[in-house]
Amino acid sequence: EAGVTQSPTHLIKTRGQQATLRCSPISGHTSVYWYQQALGLGLQFLLWYDEGEERNRGNFPPRFSGRQFPNYSSELNVNALELEDSALYLCASSPGGFSGANVLTFGAGSRLTVL
Amino acid sequence: GENVEQHPSTLSVQEGDSAVIKCTYSDSASNYFPWYKQELGKGPQLIIDIRSNVGEKKDQRIAVTLNKTAKHFSLHITETQPEDSAVYFCAASKGGSYIPTFGRGTSLIVHP
Repeated sequence: EAGVTQSPTHLIKTRGQQATLRCSPISGHTSVYWYQQALGLGLQFLLWYDEGEERNRGNFPPRFSGRQFPNYSSELNVNALELEDSALYLCASSPGGFSGANVLTFGAGSRLTVL
Repeated sequence: GENVEQHPSTLSVQEGDSAVIKCTYSDSASNYFPWYKQELGKGPQLIIDIRSNVGEKKDQRIAVTLNKTAKHFSLHITETQPEDSAVYFCAASKGGSYIPTFGRGTSLIVHP
């Protein structure tokens, strides 16, 4: 069974540009989570999508946005890139729904570097 | 919201020694506590988890204990090996529509 896949693996952008990161969840999983892992800061929650809807959002500015497609894959968009956006962006999926524990399975991440 | 504190931030041990990583949480309603291992260049992988109706869970060389009264839980690794070297994250979750909250991670270094 394929795990959570993310693309691209690495992405280099300059300040002010836009970045788009993509995630495919485990087959059968309907929930997708996005986390930012900046150096020394642990995992900071960005966004949660379930059944195509945004269910929750972390403490990030509106230039961080995303969506979930009918096949449950997801993309994260970061507009007007700033140097401090440089980080590893992790996607995770879970079976979804609103009952039971959120057991997350992570992908390998997309490394975004902003110059 | 939930707050998870994790200690120590760095742990250095000799091969064969035991390692213990501790986490505390603030929300008494949290009921699911996973531990993740993140190796260099990879995403975090779930290694063990525990639910609030259990006090201890063991899987070969790793074990997790939970003290609901004190609101803390710990990861124990026995007979450490160099391949155990990684960053370990704890998390706490209430399930449902709540997002798991992660600790800031512990970098475990096992010296051969």
